[in-house]
Amino acid sequence: GAVVSQHPSRVICKSGTSVKIECRSLDFQATTMFWYRQFPKKSLMLMATSNEGSKATYEQGVEKDKFLINHASLTLSTLTVTSAHPEDSSFYICSAGQGQGKETQYFGPGTRLLVL
Amino acid sequence: LAKTTQPISMDSYEGQEVNITCSHNNIATNDYITWYQQFPSQGPRFIIQGYKTKVTNEVASLFIPADRKSSTLSLPRVSLSDTAVYYCLVGDGGGLTGGGNKLTFGTGTQLKVEL
Repeated sequence: GAVVSQHPSRVICKSGTSVKIECRSLDFQATTMFWYRQFPKKSLMLMATSNEGSKATYEQGVEKDKFLINHASLTLSTLTVTSAHPEDSSFYICSAGQGQGKETQYFGPGTRLLVL
Repeated sequence: LAKTTQPISMDSYEGQEVNITCSHNNIATNDYITWYQQFPSQGPRFIIQGYKTKVTNEVASLFIPADRKSSTLSLPRVSLSDTAVYYCLVGDGGGLTGGGNKLTFGTGTQLKVEL
């Protein structure tokens, strides 16, 4: 199947700093990528849809100024957690699809964020 | 988005066949049914996808009845390494027009395989 990577795999930062997480589709182009967060022993929660060349679409309750998404190319989307706080500590996962009628979404390995 | 309902957990033993059923009563005409497997601290891994009838690949089979209001993931001979959370998802059909298929995760089914 298609490969999606994320970087970094884990990050620890101080409260108040910003953290950028990259999501790359390695062997296909993705006009749309999705960002999720997952708390321990909970299901994935969709945060936003990242669209190449346009603004991201955020799910209800997700602060767009807090979680900045940039989809600068067909293979890269970034999620920046701005002014991170301990409650932002979570597992962040991206996914990408090949589109064009192909329904399968492929997920990245996830990024563990710990805000101290 | 179609909501899915799965059992919270299932237990099995090595070598047995495991069938996990998912209900999706409000599935739309364009929706596909996709199953993912997730291990702790990893992203979900694609297992199988189908639209109707039966789909089989090297790791699983997916049975979908004619009304498509449910689906069953069948794992033929499970091993300890199949212990994971299994998610059934139904897409919103966005993939048919290109771009992407927005997915909503339910609670998933925690499968525990023992010796």
